[in-house]
Amino acid sequence: AQTVTQSQPEMSVQEAETVTLSCTYDTSESDYYLFWYKQPPSRQMILVIRQEAYKQQNATENRFSVNFQKAAKSFSLKISDSQLGDAAMYFCAYRSGNTGTASKLTFGTGTRLQVTL
Amino acid sequence: NAGVTQTPKFRILKIGQSMTLQCAQDMNHNYMYWYRQDPGMGLKLIYYSVGAGITDKGEVPNGYNVSRSTTEDFPLRLELAAPSQTSVYFCASSYRDTQNIQYFGAGTRLSVL
Repeated sequence: AQTVTQSQPEMSVQEAETVTLSCTYDTSESDYYLFWYKQPPSRQMILVIRQEAYKQQNATENRFSVNFQKAAKSFSLKISDSQLGDAAMYFCAYRSGNTGTASKLTFGTGTRLQVTL
Repeated sequence: NAGVTQTPKFRILKIGQSMTLQCAQDMNHNYMYWYRQDPGMGLKLIYYSVGAGITDKGEVPNGYNVSRSTTEDFPLRLELAAPSQTSVYFCASSYRDTQNIQYFGAGTRLSVL
C-alpha cells in the first residue's frame, strides 16, 4: 500500500516571503499522480497543484510550484510571495495511475501553514 | 454551479442513533467518494463508487454503508453511531479520465455523544 508522509505539522512564513512544505511518499508503482490540496478554516478542500509522475518538468501554478524528485520519492510545495490568504492546512496526496484503483487518493497528515505580517 | 453538495453541515447524534449523510453532485461525474477527517489527521477513504449501482470499501468502512442508485447521489449511512465516528466527513467526485481531479464538498461535522 502507498503511504504519504508530511513531517512538518506546522510551518510559519512572513508575508511576501517564500516557504517550502515537504512531502515524501512510498510506492512501488511507476505511474502515479501527486497533488497538493489546501484546506482553509472553511474546511473546503481546494486543489492547489498536481504532478504526473511521468513528467520530469515540475508543475507550477502562479505562486505555487513543486519540486518533484521521483527517485527520492519527494514532492515538496513552494509558495512564493506568501499572502495572508495562504494560511491553511496543506495536504499532500497520492493517486495510483492504475485505472483499476478507481483513482482513490491517499493523503498525508497535513501541514498547518501560518502567515504572519 | 453547485458542484458537490453535502447536507447537513453539522449534526450531533446520541450513541446508537442512525443517520444518513447526503451527497449530491451536478457535474455528471462517474466516480464518487466518502472520506473522514479526524482531528489533526489527513482524510481517510470510507467508501467509493465508480458508477450507479457499484460501490466498494475503502480504508475505513466499518460502521458505514453506502448506496449509489443514481449518478448524482451517494449517501453515507451510519447505522449505530459510536463516539469513534465523531469526525468531519467529506464527499468528493471526479470524472473517469486521466485528469481525475477530485472535487470536494464543504464537509459535514458530526459529533456522537
